[in-house]
Amino acid sequence: SYELTQPTSVSVAPGKTTTIACGGNKIGTKSVHWYQQKPGQAPVLVIYYDSGRPSGIPERFSGSNSGNTATLTISRVEAGDEADYYCQVWDSSTYHWVFGGGTKLTVL
Amino acid sequence: EVQLVESGGGLVQSGGSLRLSCAASGFTVSNTYMNWVRQAPGKGLEWVSLIYSGNGTYHADSVRGRFTISRHSSRNTVYLQMHDLRPEDTATYYCAKSGYSRSFDFWGQGTLVTVSS
Repeated sequence: SYELTQPTSVSVAPGKTTTIACGGNKIGTKSVHWYQQKPGQAPVLVIYYDSGRPSGIPERFSGSNSGNTATLTISRVEAGDEADYYCQVWDSSTYHWVFGGGTKLTVL
Repeated sequence: EVQLVESGGGLVQSGGSLRLSCAASGFTVSNTYMNWVRQAPGKGLEWVSLIYSGNGTYHADSVRGRFTISRHSSRNTVYLQMHDLRPEDTATYYCAKSGYSRSFDFWGQGTLVTVSS
């Protein structure tokens, strides 16, 4: 089965830029979606189709995908960005959705 | 406005059954890909089930044969029938709608299922 690997945690100072990686075999050939989940809340879609941004998501959020790594980039990080972030792909060989293990973003 | 409201969670003994409901508004479930996703306490997201156009369904390996996703068009509601529940099924269960990109563009607030041993 297809697996996605994310770092457990990432820390960043306010105003800086941070990246969250999502590793998978030839993930660059798949479409990657990213979700933000704050404590006690349901997840929110922040990036779709590798780099698309839903309405209402700040331009500070961007994504890319190539080779074996997809990346979520958050620019000018704010305290309100502190959350867990998950990547997701569709595994067409098993007809399963797959989530990465999640990355806890801490804003210092 | 799109809304998803889950219900039906609760405390059940190991081996028991529950049916979760996801009442939708603002769109029609009958022509939308709908999903269930769960999250065990303190853990990450785990996809559970998908129902797509034509009533085709897929289920995660961990629940196949025990869980069934379905929908009732006139009630605009999606269900997750769960049988033979196990302690490891304890989680908050979210209903999520797939958008144009098939990503999960709207989520409900979740319903908690606790399975005691």
